[in-house]
Amino acid sequence: QVQLVESGGGVVQPGGSLRLSCTASGVTFSGYAMHWVRQAPGKGLDWVAVIGYDGTNEHYADSVQGRFTIFRDNSKNTLYLHMNSLRTEDTAIYYCARDLWNTGWSGFLDLWGRGTLVTVSS
Amino acid sequence: EIVLTQSPDTLSLSPGESAILSCRASQSISSYLAWYQQKPGQAPRLLIYDASNRATGIPARFSGRGSGTDFTLTISSLEPADFAVYYCQQRSNWPPYTFGQGTKLEVK
Repeated sequence: QVQLVESGGGVVQPGGSLRLSCTASGVTFSGYAMHWVRQAPGKGLDWVAVIGYDGTNEHYADSVQGRFTIFRDNSKNTLYLHMNSLRTEDTAIYYCARDLWNTGWSGFLDLWGRGTLVTVSS
Repeated sequence: EIVLTQSPDTLSLSPGESAILSCRASQSISSYLAWYQQKPGQAPRLLIYDASNRATGIPARFSGRGSGTDFTLTISSLEPADFAVYYCQQRSNWPPYTFGQGTKLEVK
């Protein structure tokens, strides 16, 4: 079955850290750029970060730059998001998503996981 | 940062009718626009990319058009499964990739 499965969400205090994982199964992973997108409860979609298919390029939204790190392990078909200095406004469902294009990246997202909820609260 | 504004916020229609959703960009984005559908409790699904190209498995009832700053998503002959929230997204000027605020398509 073609799927992306996120894990690692939970409740964390402001200032804390968390690492999310996204594992791909039944789908080509290593040839595609991968993204993280988040959605605060009841709100719209907010792009967070992208990493190239080989892990050599990464870009971030200004709101997370310097606090979040995206990385991947193609041998494990897994994408990660390490989040430091978490704020209450980081509370959201975090989705991993595969880029539409193979080997380059388009910025469009054609395969999504079901998401993992991160709650930042004291 | 490019701002995408969708209209209307909510669209109330009946099954069988046609829906036209709009997305306006704060500056020209050529044809670098996608549309997604999101149902409650589910992840978004890519419908249209590069303004008018249907993604794999998307029925022909969904069509997109536009370029520059004004774009539309048309859904003809609405089916019950089409009632959802729709987002547009641009890839012209990044980072960041930005989304519109969403249009909720609800049953009248």
